[in-house]
Amino acid sequence: NAGVTQTPKFQVLKTGQSMTLQCAQDMNHNSMYWYRQDPGMGLRLIYYSASEGTTDKGEVPNGYNVSRLNKREFSLRLESAAPSQTSVYFCASSAREVRAEAFFGQGTRLTVV
Amino acid sequence: AQSVAQPEDQVNVAEGNPLTVKCTYSVSGNPYLFWYVQYPNRGLQFLLKYITGDNLVKGSYGFEAEFNKSQTSFHLKKPSALVSDSALYFCAVRAPSGAGSYQLTFGKGTKLSVIP
Repeated sequence: NAGVTQTPKFQVLKTGQSMTLQCAQDMNHNSMYWYRQDPGMGLRLIYYSASEGTTDKGEVPNGYNVSRLNKREFSLRLESAAPSQTSVYFCASSAREVRAEAFFGQGTRLTVV
Repeated sequence: AQSVAQPEDQVNVAEGNPLTVKCTYSVSGNPYLFWYVQYPNRGLQFLLKYITGDNLVKGSYGFEAEFNKSQTSFHLKKPSALVSDSALYFCAVRAPSGAGSYQLTFGKGTKLSVIP
């Protein structure tokens, strides 16, 4: 049982380049999330998708776009990468119920130079 | 808006001693509270959650947490710390955010170091 799978695990981009972070879950969860983790800042929500076909902005959405491709997959796109987007990105999924815990992927470490 | 505060960036405790990692929250309505642990270069792992009922919640690896509604706190505890408990701990709260969706909001994390 893979749980939440993120690709790639590591990536180095030049300023201005674009890329898509992929996330897939095999737990039949309705809700999916993208977070970024920075030292001293904890985890900050970028975007989330409560269910297939819906996406909403979180705390720090600027510079990012998302696509909920189907129930399993939720991708995060950086259209024009900036050094401020250097971070560790985590995808998570959960059942839609408010009491449900979230399950996290292993993270993508992104460096923008 | 919901929020979580973890007042201590780092907690040091001797092996075998009890440990406490503090968390306070702010949310409208009933809170649903969670603790997660992150080991180096890994994703977050779920430890325990408070939904309703008993104020003392037991979770994985011998951890427990005490919910206190009047103090809006949800402190993580363990009676006897192990060196292997050294990690980054996150408190989180989940509450309705409109349109039937439930955001999960995290604190900034507390680094726990257990000293042999």
